[in-house]
Formats: sequence, structure tokens, C-alpha cells
Amino acid sequence: DIQMTQSPSSLSASVGDRVTITCRASQSISTYLNWYQQKPGTAPKLLIYAASNLQSGVPSRFSGRGSGTDFTLTVSSLQPEDFATYYCQHSYTLPYTFGQGTNLDIK
Amino acid sequence: QVQLQESGPGLVKPSQTLSLTCTVSGGSISSDSHYWTWIRQPAGKGLEWIGRIYISGNTNYNPSLTSRVSISLDTSKNQFSLKLSSVTAADTAVYYCVRYGYWYFDYWGPGILVTVSS
Repeated sequence: DIQMTQSPSSLSASVGDRVTITCRASQSISTYLNWYQQKPGTAPKLLIYAASNLQSGVPSRFSGRGSGTDFTLTVSSLQPEDFATYYCQHSYTLPYTFGQGTNLDIK
Repeated sequence: QVQLQESGPGLVKPSQTLSLTCTVSGGSISSDSHYWTWIRQPAGKGLEWIGRIYISGNTNYNPSLTSRVSISLDTSKNQFSLKLSSVTAADTAVYYCVRYGYWYFDYWGPGILVTVSS
């Protein structure tokens, strides 16, 4: 299985901050990398697909970059509704796996 | 707008079989562009892909679960189902049914908590 490792595991930030979350794959996955946001008690929501494509309806303050093994998710200016847990996930080969999550909370 | 909804028992006894159904509305499960998938999440933990089914009936399962899992389709009801046998406390989790298409999971059900306990 391809292992996905996110860093940091948790992050405290303030409204208006720029934050970046990193995801590293245990082998090259080209750009078969997606990002999801999950709030407590709800299902994950797709934010970014194919490493850098913004899902319809997702604010443009979210952006993704990377290819191969190293990827980033950046929120350019945090809003109150952005405090949540973020997961990366690869679709390169089966079984699909997720990162362990990054919990973003308010400082 | 596609919607998915999980249903089934919220409590299963150890060694028994967990059975869940996902009802899809706003779109056809017979689409040749999508896989229908189950994902689970233990409380406070990360997400685990369980497996998927295609309209052809072709299935793929997580190797860690393949000996215990089965996913099936009922196109007449626009539903797909999950069976997980010989459950233990480690199978306690929120189970999500999810649509997969074009390399990502785009529509998720709200999830159903299944607890394995006697």
C-alpha cells in the first residue's frame, strides 16, 4: 500500500493567517492526489482534486500544488469556517489510502 | 444533486455480520462513469477505504479486509450494500457510502455509526 504522511498533525492559527499543510506519498503518485475537509460530525468534503484543481463551489483561498511524492494544500487567508481537519488521499493505485489528517484549530 | 444515505443496524454483536445499505438519489447507480464505494472512520481516527463496486458487478476490496467483505448492487432500487463478516470491536466506526468518479470521491453520505458490542 502507498503510505500518505501529512504534516503537521495539528496546527493552530488565527483568522487571516496563511497556512500550508504538507502531504508526502511513500512512492510517486504523479498528480493523483486529492484534499478533503472534514468538520466534526460530518462527512469529508472534496476541496482539491488532481493535486491542484479546485472543486466547484470551493473558495479560491484554497489551493493545491505538487506532483510525484510531495504535495501542499494552502489556505491563503483563514476564515472562521476553515477550522477543521484536512486529509490528503491518493488515487494512484488500489487500495486508495488517506493521510492521518491535520487538525487546524483556532489559536 | 446526487445524494447518498446509509441505513442499517447501529449495533452488531461480535462475530456476527455487519450489513449496511446505501440508497442513491438524484443520479443513477447504473452510471458507467462511477464506482460506488464504502469508507469507514473509527472515532477520532482517520479514513479507511473498504472497497468499491462498478455497474458491471466488478468489485475491489482493501486487502486488509478482503476475506471478510462483500459489496453488491441492486440497480432496481438504486442501492448498493456492504457486508462485513466476523466483526470485532475494531470494526466499530462511522461507515460512509461514497461515489467515486474521475479519480476522486465527490459525493458522500452523512455516515452511520456502527458499534460492535455484545
